Amino acid sequence: AQSVAQPEDQVNVAEGNPLTVKCTYSVSGNPYLFWYVQYPNRGLQFLLKYITGDNLVKGSYGFEAEFNKSQTSFHLKKPSALVSDSALYFCAVRAYSNSGYALNFGKGTSLLVTP
Amino acid sequence: EAGVVQSPRYKIIEKKQPVAFWCNPISGHNTLYWYRQNLGQGPELLIRYENEEAVDDSQLPKDRFSAERLKGVDSTLKIQPAELGDSAVYLCASTRTSGSIYNEQFFGPGTRLTVL
Repeated sequence: AQSVAQPEDQVNVAEGNPLTVKCTYSVSGNPYLFWYVQYPNRGLQFLLKYITGDNLVKGSYGFEAEFNKSQTSFHLKKPSALVSDSALYFCAVRAYSNSGYALNFGKGTSLLVTP
Repeated sequence: EAGVVQSPRYKIIEKKQPVAFWCNPISGHNTLYWYRQNLGQGPELLIRYENEEAVDDSQLPKDRFSAERLKGVDSTLKIQPAELGDSAVYLCASTRTSGSIYNEQFFGPGTRLTVL
């Protein structure tokens, strides 16, 4: 089965410092990976995706993610964190079933950026 | 463009009562998803529609859950009767075409259901 794991429930970082939110994946075949962010009382917002090509993917709000096939990882990064980045971050993998495609999400990582 | 619209945003009911959630996807998006998000967890797919057809409802608890998308646009998800364990956020998402596995999904704000 296609799945992702987010090993950290919470990540704390000071404003201005770089941040990393970790994600590892387990898939058969080519992985199609996504990052979403969820602010309180709001739906998930798409940040970026990896389909093929460059291992460094750039997305919204200054976020980027690095695809590493040998480590089966897709970590989310940002060079300089903002307090407004505090939110819940979900990694997801596109999964194929007999009836088509769906997204399998990780359990989420809460990011707290302190002033 | 307008985003995915869901209503109500919050619903509190007693167990054994029925409840319904409504979703209006982004215009032109023919694929619609319903997810359930339990506290502290990621969303889990309940059902996926391609236009009017439910093409993946394998995770939908069919004894109490039902869904419809009669004209291939709006969709309704119903629970009857609700149980305590149904308390969660119900998310609706849409995407432009099912033909591309690369398309990201656009999510609505969700309906937070509390069953007492």
